[in-house]
Amino acid sequence: QKEVEQDPGPLSVPEGAIVSLNCTYSNSAFQYFMWYRQYSRKGPELLMYTYSSGNKEDGRFTAQVDKSSKYISLFIRDSQPSDSATYLCAMRRPSNTGKLIFGQGTTLQVKP
Amino acid sequence: GAGVSQSPSNKVTEKGKDVELRCDPISGHTALYWYRQSLGQGLEFLIYFQGNSAPDKSGLPSDRFSAERTGGSVSTLTIQRTQQEDSAVYLCASSLGAGSDTGELFFGEGSRLTVL
Repeated sequence: QKEVEQDPGPLSVPEGAIVSLNCTYSNSAFQYFMWYRQYSRKGPELLMYTYSSGNKEDGRFTAQVDKSSKYISLFIRDSQPSDSATYLCAMRRPSNTGKLIFGQGTTLQVKP
Repeated sequence: GAGVSQSPSNKVTEKGKDVELRCDPISGHTALYWYRQSLGQGLEFLIYFQGNSAPDKSGLPSDRFSAERTGGSVSTLTIQRTQQEDSAVYLCASSLGAGSDTGELFFGEGSRLTVL
């Protein structure tokens, strides 16, 4: 079993829809949670960062962490065609600054 | 440039040949990482360098894989006797290093390796 599980999709939605992306994990030691966005043939770029449990909002994006359920989510409101990309969740333990464990990534397509 | 630079961007090689992939991190970043991204497999951690500390090699899949970082800057990932299952995109990233709690890794665009 992988430490981090993420449905690869693909997920196709109409423009303006609310998108929900999710990951589950098995290691309760993870404390730092991130979402990276990767456009085709590009490197991933950090989208959202959350420490421990709770919500964080940044514009149209909201990240949620539920440590009791070992479940994290990314919500995209008013989705745009430019949001079409692969979204990767990532997480790490406090003692290991470098080693991010990534999910498989979910491919999202927002249709105009 | 200001970002992480990787070369070559594409490499096609024959099974059994050795390949070297290069990464030039962002100036001032003390931490450097190599990840591998296979089709539908997400990012797989390979190795992590932090300053002058011994690298974390726990993700290297076999002894055919090695990496070095010279002068705390440029890194080279070497794959010896390449196999078809080594075909993937090899991504390099750098960060400000230990204590950078946001965990923001800055990735290059990757080196796409195809082993025939």
